[in-house]
Amino acid sequence: QKEVEQNSGPLSVPEGAIASLNCTYSDRGSQSFFWYRQYSGKSPELIMSIYSNGDKEDGRFTAQLNKASQYVSLLIRDSQPSDSATYLCAPTVYNQGGKLIFGQGTELSVKP
Amino acid sequence: DGGITQSPKYLFRKEGQNVTLSCEQNLNHDAMYWYRQDPGQGLRLIYYSQIVNDFQKGDIAEGYSVSREKKESFPLTVTSAQKNPTAFYLCASSIFGSANEQFFGPGTRLTVL
Repeated sequence: QKEVEQNSGPLSVPEGAIASLNCTYSDRGSQSFFWYRQYSGKSPELIMSIYSNGDKEDGRFTAQLNKASQYVSLLIRDSQPSDSATYLCAPTVYNQGGKLIFGQGTELSVKP
Repeated sequence: DGGITQSPKYLFRKEGQNVTLSCEQNLNHDAMYWYRQDPGQGLRLIYYSQIVNDFQKGDIAEGYSVSREKKESFPLTVTSAQKNPTAFYLCASSIFGSANEQFFGPGTRLTVL
């Protein structure tokens, strides 16, 4: 089993729809969870951090965390073509001082 | 402006040559990291450093070396022992601690000919 698994893409949604990106992780000790957006040819940009179970909203983005199920998701409401990118899920590694482990990413394409 | 800089943006080297990638940050972050990204894949950790003069191997350290003589700088050397060095190299930094967010520099794309 991979340590971090993300739904395989590419994920295609029409403009204005909700995009749902999913991530499961194997390390039960993971405490912090991050979502990065990466445009083609560019470096990752941090867009959401979540540390406790439940939902965290920031503008059009909502992160959801369920530690019991080892599941974290990112919802993008009112998707825009500018949201087209690869989204990387990154939980921390237990007891290793901030070290992250990255999923392979989900490519999102928002069609006008 | 605070941020992380990496240079050069593109780097071409002949097989068998060592090459050093620069990473500098002025965010006063304690921890710095080096990752490698191959096409269509996630990031893999090469080395990381949580304080000056100390660093740890990541998951794919073979063929790489680092130094951390200053808090602001964390250069990565790709040696001739690295079997497949062509990749996108990313440097990141964070405030020390397990809950803290990592921020990335713009990356260096290395091509070995």
